[in-house]
Amino acid sequence: AQSVTQLGSHVSVSEGALVLLRCNYSSSVPPYLFWYVQYPNQGLQLLLKYTSAATLVKGINGFEAEFKKSETSFHLTKPSAHMSDAAEYFCAVSDAGGTSYGKLTFGQGTILTVHP
Amino acid sequence: NAGVTQTPKFQVLKTGQSMTLQCAQDMNHNSMYWYRQDPGMGLRLIYYSASEGTTDKGEVPNGYNVSRLNKREFSLRLESAAPSQTSVYFCASRRTGENEQYFGPGTRLTVT
Repeated sequence: AQSVTQLGSHVSVSEGALVLLRCNYSSSVPPYLFWYVQYPNQGLQLLLKYTSAATLVKGINGFEAEFKKSETSFHLTKPSAHMSDAAEYFCAVSDAGGTSYGKLTFGQGTILTVHP
Repeated sequence: NAGVTQTPKFQVLKTGQSMTLQCAQDMNHNSMYWYRQDPGMGLRLIYYSASEGTTDKGEVPNGYNVSRLNKREFSLRLESAAPSQTSVYFCASRRTGENEQYFGPGTRLTVT
């Protein structure tokens, strides 16, 4: 079974500050890992994904994440927050192949607030 | 391409009523999924369809049924709605051989 834990249901930063959203996963098989963003009253949009290529993954809107197998982590970062980054962020895991049919297991979500 | 579309956007039901949530995708994806989103719980998988003609239960299937009508459409039915089914419902699809899922805009359902 797979699981995802996002540390911190709410994160608040100032505009221009570093954004760090934490995600730890549990998986008995090599994982695929994803970060999705959800703006208010909208669906989920893929930010970035890790699929066993480079461990440092760059996504849209200046976000990146690093896969650390030893720490079972996939934290999301952005060097300088912008007001438009305010949203809810979800980390998700899927197994790489196998019989899961691409099913995603999501974390609880982290709401990012950006202050002027 | 419209991507993944869902209807309706909003719905209010009384306890015991039934309804069907519609989902369609125009990306020729084989796999489709239904999730529910509740505050503080992320998204949880209700049912999925790995390919046309097949459906399987996810994490929280009780109280729901699904139909994979054809490759494009995957509907979710609530036979007798309960207040515990108040939630935001998302449909998603995935192309075989790729890993990410593409999500629709969601249906906000309230059961009173």
